[in-house]
Amino acid sequence: AQSVTQPDIHITVSEGASLELRCNYSYGATPYLFWYVQSPGQGLQLLLKYFSGDTLVQGIKGFEAEFKRSQSSFNLRKPSVHWSDAAEYFCAVGSLGNTDKLIFGTGTRLQVFP
Amino acid sequence: DGGITQSPKYLFRKEGQNVTLSCEQNLNHDAMYWYRQDPGQGLRLIYYSQIVNDFQKGDIAEGYSVSREKKESFPLTVTSAQKNPTAFYLCASIRKGAGYGYTFGSGTRLTVV
Repeated sequence: AQSVTQPDIHITVSEGASLELRCNYSYGATPYLFWYVQSPGQGLQLLLKYFSGDTLVQGIKGFEAEFKRSQSSFNLRKPSVHWSDAAEYFCAVGSLGNTDKLIFGTGTRLQVFP
Repeated sequence: DGGITQSPKYLFRKEGQNVTLSCEQNLNHDAMYWYRQDPGQGLRLIYYSQIVNDFQKGDIAEGYSVSREKKESFPLTVTSAQKNPTAFYLCASIRKGAGYGYTFGSGTRLTVV
């Protein structure tokens, strides 16, 4: 079955510290992978996406993610976290085709301490 | 600017009532989606539509209905058959096959009173 797992429900970091949010997927076909960010009471904003090519992708707000096929992972990273990064982060997997449906993980809530 | 507009932002429903959530996009996107978000459960797909006058059930369609009479509009009706409708509802759209990822609206929070 197709699925996305975000093992960390809640992560707390200090401002300026590095960040890594984990995402593991199970998908039969070649996956297309996404990271979204959601501020409280708002919709989701696309941070970055991976379709093919270079396995390290750069996104907005200084985020990057690395696709590792052997580990079925697509972890999100940021070298230095800012207080404004506090939000909920969702990993999603899908494929281009008939439906363009995405499967979302359950999210990781990031808290940033000054 | 192009985008997706969801209205209202907050909606209250009495027991036994049907309510309709609006979703309008001016992005010329082909496909539109409705997701339900509950704490700790991520986003679950309710219905989606790839073309006008056609739509398919998602994973949790029971108690919901939709229509797609215009490309720009994809309203969701939460019927009285939905026993636990209190949630945050998100509408999304995508240009079919483009692979750019979804564009999301800002959501509607529905509360049963």
